[in-house]
Amino acid sequence: ETGVTQSPTHLIKTRGQQVTLRCSSQSGHNTVSWYQQALGQGPQFIFQYYREEENGRGNFPPRFSGLQFPNYSSELNVNALELDDSALYLCASSLDGWANNEQFFGPGTRLTVL
Amino acid sequence: AQSVSQHNHHVILSEAASLELGCNYSYGGTVNLFWYVQYPGQHLQLLLKYFSGDPLVKGIKGFEAEFIKSKFSFNLRKPSVQWSDTAEYFCAVNAGDSGYALNFGKGTSLLVTP
Repeated sequence: ETGVTQSPTHLIKTRGQQVTLRCSSQSGHNTVSWYQQALGQGPQFIFQYYREEENGRGNFPPRFSGLQFPNYSSELNVNALELDDSALYLCASSLDGWANNEQFFGPGTRLTVL
Repeated sequence: AQSVSQHNHHVILSEAASLELGCNYSYGGTVNLFWYVQYPGQHLQLLLKYFSGDPLVKGIKGFEAEFIKSKFSFNLRKPSVQWSDTAEYFCAVNAGDSGYALNFGKGTSLLVTP
């Protein structure tokens, strides 16, 4: 069984740029959630995709957007990067869009905005 | 808004000592409760979860947690810690009627000394 994978591992961008992060869900899972983890903080929910549709969104501005593809992999796009966007971005996959189905986390992408 | 509080940010224990990490949440409705652990260099992984039934929940590696509804608490315990329990521990809450988002606490860093 292949776990959740994310790419790239690390990324450095400058303010104002755009970034795309990628996530492959665990085999058999149709739901992907994205979280932002700032240094010294717990993960914060960005949004969730279930069967290619956004299924819920946290308190993040519209410049954070996403996609889910027919194979259930997902992308997180962030436009107009700000310094505060520097964080570890975590992807989690689960089954059928409900948190009471265990979410399996990937290793994360470390984004640094200069 | 929902919030999750973890009272201890850094805990240092000697091997064989008992562990209790506090977690309180602010939400009056039905909740699903989780403890996640992140070992150094590894992904977030689920330790245990509570959805309903017996409020004393047993998880992996000898951990357990008790849900006390009247206190809005879900404290994590282990009778005797090992050096390998050194990790970051996160409490997370899902509001049963919102389905998808996990709200995490800020985490507790546990260091177990030999």
